Amino acid sequence: SAVISQKPSRDICQRGTSLTIQCQVDSQVTMMFWYRQQPGQSLTLIATANQGSEATYESGFVIDKFPISRPNLTFSTLTVSNMSPEDSSIYLCSVQGVYTGELFFGEGSRLTVL
Amino acid sequence: GQNIDQPTEMTATEGAIVQINCTYQTSGFNGLFWYQQHAGEAPTFLSYNVLDGLEEKGRFSSFLSRSKGYSYLLLKELQMKDSASYLCAPRSYNTDKLIFGTGTRLQVFP
Repeated sequence: SAVISQKPSRDICQRGTSLTIQCQVDSQVTMMFWYRQQPGQSLTLIATANQGSEATYESGFVIDKFPISRPNLTFSTLTVSNMSPEDSSIYLCSVQGVYTGELFFGEGSRLTVL
Repeated sequence: GQNIDQPTEMTATEGAIVQINCTYQTSGFNGLFWYQQHAGEAPTFLSYNVLDGLEEKGRFSSFLSRSKGYSYLLLKELQMKDSASYLCAPRSYNTDKLIFGTGTRLQVFP
């Protein structure tokens, strides 16, 4: 298994500002993903964070709004840019296990945009 | 693309058995995962099926039929702590991504 630390765990943000969420893993992993979970909803994949290259975004998500960095195999950041109340959500970092491909999740970052 | 269907809500009583169904359509199927998520917490892994049949793990079992695009999660001897959302997630071979269904919120009553 992998231990994933995310910060901040929660934050209250003003409309129009940006916030960067950090994800640190205790071991080197190949696949890292960022998910969003809006209130009462399931998880929606935002993007795959690729080490040393641009992230791969899912339909409906763009780099300008959700820039992602992954400088090495244990760390990634997700920025939520120019926030609006619709961005209020939990953002989850996840990594893939080596053998079965199961996902391990961080505790999530709960953002509230006023 | 992927299409995943599971019931939105289910209720059951303590000690009973409940079956949560999931049907899916995915290109390049490469296994199906079930996750449990308690309110306010991150999802935790429950089971993984890649071949047809039943995988049993304690009180929880998961079944897969690849030809039918169907899976179920079976929970036996229900306990109050099993009240949670259960997420079905097939994996695509082409992309290695997990796409989650809408989740089934299970409420266990005494």
